[in-house]
Amino acid sequence: AQKVTQAQTEISVVEKEDVTLDCVYETRDTTYYLFWYKQPPSGELVFLIRRNSFDEQNEISGRYSWNFQKSTSSFNFTITASQVVDSAVYFCALGVGAGTALIFGKGTTLSVSS
Amino acid sequence: DGGITQSPKYLFRKEGQNVTLSCEQNLNHDAMYWYRQDPGQGLRLIYYSQIVNDFQKGDIAEGYSVSREKKESFPLTVTSAQKNPTAFYLCASSIATEQPGNTIYFGEGSWLTVV
Repeated sequence: AQKVTQAQTEISVVEKEDVTLDCVYETRDTTYYLFWYKQPPSGELVFLIRRNSFDEQNEISGRYSWNFQKSTSSFNFTITASQVVDSAVYFCALGVGAGTALIFGKGTTLSVSS
Repeated sequence: DGGITQSPKYLFRKEGQNVTLSCEQNLNHDAMYWYRQDPGQGLRLIYYSQIVNDFQKGDIAEGYSVSREKKESFPLTVTSAQKNPTAFYLCASSIATEQPGNTIYFGEGSWLTVV
């Protein structure tokens, strides 16, 4: 069965702190894709990153970085020097099998205070 | 501008009524999806469609119906059979799903409240 677990329901930090959002996935497929989306208070989900199962190289984009580890089935997301605008719900998702939709975790609500 | 348009943004439904949520995309995407979001539940798939005139049930299809008569449009009807329809509904689309894990893009969502 395919599954995505985001164990952290809510995280609160103060501006400029670093914060890591955890994502653990389950699948028996050898080819799969992992995603992170951001949902600000406006409601629309914004795509952040997509990685395939054959590429374990970590990625950095500005203050965002992603750590993909197949050995622990994890795809964690770190925000460095958090800002108030980072406050949102963040979803991790898994894509497996042609012709199927993404499977989402339950999301982690991040609150950054000034 | 290219994107996914959902309407209405807010909708109130009386018990026993059917309501239809609109979703239109101009991204030339083949696949379209409907997700439901409840607090603490994440996103759950209702229906998805890979091509015109074809669609598949997701995890929570009971009480919902869809149609895909045009590539650009994928309306969702919430029927009176849906026991707890109050939720946030998100429409999404992606390029053809022959490959696993195509990135999906979302509309701004529609809030449905039963009164």
